[in-house]
Amino acid sequence: DIQLTQSPSFLSASVGDRVTITCRASQGISSYLAWYQKKLGKAPKLLIYAASTLQSGVPSRFSGSGSGTEFTLTISSLQPEDFATYYCQQLNSYPITFGQGTRLEIK
Amino acid sequence: EVQLVESGGGLIQPGGSLRLSCAASGFTVSNNYMSWVRQAPGKGLEWVSIIYSGGTTHDADSVKGRFTISRDNSKNTVYLQMNSLRAEDTAVYYCARANTMIIRNGMDVWGQGTTVTVSS
Repeated sequence: DIQLTQSPSFLSASVGDRVTITCRASQGISSYLAWYQKKLGKAPKLLIYAASTLQSGVPSRFSGSGSGTEFTLTISSLQPEDFATYYCQQLNSYPITFGQGTRLEIK
Repeated sequence: EVQLVESGGGLIQPGGSLRLSCAASGFTVSNNYMSWVRQAPGKGLEWVSIIYSGGTTHDADSVKGRFTISRDNSKNTVYLQMNSLRAEDTAVYYCARANTMIIRNGMDVWGQGTTVTVSS
């Protein structure tokens, strides 16, 4: 199974900050990586797919990059509604796996 | 409007069975890859099962042989039959659709989730 390790697991930041979350895969997954935002009591929301493609309707302050085993999600200027937990997901092979999550909180 | 609505969750004793339903509207499930994903209390997301448009299925090792994903095209609904339930199956269960009908593009439409609690 492909393991995804996100770092950091917890991030404290302020509105307006630029933040980056990293997702490392235990083996190469080409660009078959997606990023989701998850808020308590809500369904996950797709932000980025194919490592760097912004999902329709998602603000342009979100961006993704990477390929192979290392990927990043960047939020260029944090907004109050961005405080949530973020997950990466690999879709290169079965079983589909998620990272453990990065909890982003207000400083 | 494109929408997924799950139902069928509840409290069930260990060893019991439950069938979850995911009713779709605004699109046709038989033309899409449909997955179940769960989140146990205080834990992260875990993919459970997928059914292809052609009917092929894949399951996570943790549910293999106990859970079965299926669909009823006439009802435009996807199901998850869960047998031999264990305490560790306690979770919110979401169904989700593959983005742009390509599973490698992630999952773009999700239901609101249905809660399964396995406890005596």
